[in-house]
Amino acid sequence: EIVLTQSPASLSLSPGERATLSCRASQSIRSLIAWYQQKPGQPPRLLIYDASNRATGIPARFSGSGSGTDFSLAISSLEPEDFAVYYCQQRSSWPLTFGQGTRLEI
Amino acid sequence: QITLKESGPTLVKPTQTLTLTCTFSGFSLSTNGVGVGWIRQPPGKALEWLAIIYWNGDEYYWPSLKDRLTITKDTSKNQVVLTMTNMDPVDTATYYCAQRRLFFDSWGQGILVSVSS
Repeated sequence: EIVLTQSPASLSLSPGERATLSCRASQSIRSLIAWYQQKPGQPPRLLIYDASNRATGIPARFSGSGSGTDFSLAISSLEPEDFAVYYCQQRSSWPLTFGQGTRLEI
Repeated sequence: QITLKESGPTLVKPTQTLTLTCTFSGFSLSTNGVGVGWIRQPPGKALEWLAIIYWNGDEYYWPSLKDRLTITKDTSKNQVVLTMTNMDPVDTATYYCAQRRLFFDSWGQGILVSVSS
């Protein structure tokens, strides 16, 4: 089982600031990682797939990077609607696994 | 437009079997590469992948739950069914179904299932 460790657990920032969230895999997963955003009472929404590709309809302020074991999600200039919980997920090997999440709060 | 919706009981007793149905539209589970999976989220906790079934019938399960889970599909009805046996209070969670191509692209709204006597 590949363990995904997200850091920090929570991040407090203000609108307009830049956010950088990290996800570290317990072994190499090449670029086979996705990032999801989840707001209270809603299902997760796919933001980034295969490390750096934005999903359909995702604003350009969201970007992903990394390969191997270390990955990042960056939000260039935070909008009020970006405050949520973010999860990473790998598809490199079974079982599929998620990170424990990073809460982005004001 | 792709939609998925989970249905089933919202309260089950310990030791009972949970049966959840995912009814979807906007895609076909007979299309090459498409899968439908189940993911759960205990209250206030992280996402946990449970099971997935693919267009070709391949099934995959979370290893420690494999003995308790069964996933099936009815392509003609656009439905995927998850059964989980021997429910326990620790299984209390929101259960989501989601379409998978590379990752989980589209999700249902989820159903909160509580396990209590």
